[in-house]
Amino acid sequence: AQSVSQHNHHVILSEAASLELGCNYSYGGTVNLFWYVQYPGQHLQLLLKYFSGDPLVKGIKGFEAEFIKSKFSFNLRKPSVQWSDTAEYFCAVIMNRDDKIIFGKGTRLHILP
Amino acid sequence: EPEVTQTPSHQVTQMGQEVILRCVPISNHLYFYWYRQILGQKVEFLVSFYNNEISEKSEIFDDQFSVERPDGSNFTLKIRSTKLEDSAMYFCASSDGLAGVETQYFGPGTRLLVL
Repeated sequence: AQSVSQHNHHVILSEAASLELGCNYSYGGTVNLFWYVQYPGQHLQLLLKYFSGDPLVKGIKGFEAEFIKSKFSFNLRKPSVQWSDTAEYFCAVIMNRDDKIIFGKGTRLHILP
Repeated sequence: EPEVTQTPSHQVTQMGQEVILRCVPISNHLYFYWYRQILGQKVEFLVSFYNNEISEKSEIFDDQFSVERPDGSNFTLKIRSTKLEDSAMYFCASSDGLAGVETQYFGPGTRLLVL
């Protein structure tokens, strides 16, 4: 079945640490890939997206993600996190230009000041 | 920046009651969606809506659910007879193109609690 897996459910880091959140999907065809963030008490916001072209995509707030087709992965990275990055992060995929987004379970990121 | 808005932010209802969750999509968007997130689980697609009809729905979206665009601005999700397992956060989203082409923008959600 088509699915999206996020390996880490909870991540705790200190400020200035580097971040990498894993995301894998199970589908062999065309995909559009997203990372959404949900800050406490707020709605889902798009961090970045990949539709085609350069597999290294840069998003808002210093985040980037790399699409590695051979590994079916789209990991999110940030070289130096801030306390304000505390939030829940969702990897999401649209498969074969379908109409619906399939979300991962989310990773809750907590940054220690 | 335009936003998707949802009302109410929280709703508590008795099992068996009808609820209507309201959404105001971004004004020039044509595609509308409902998702839900049961506590501790992932966000799940419910239904997509375009040109005044459902374009796709998931297995979750059974006969108890319906969607409507009653006027030019609102997009509603009705649950006819709520069950305990309908307790979840419900997110509305909209886009100005097909999901495979354009970004979906999400509302803040309505937290529904069925007692």
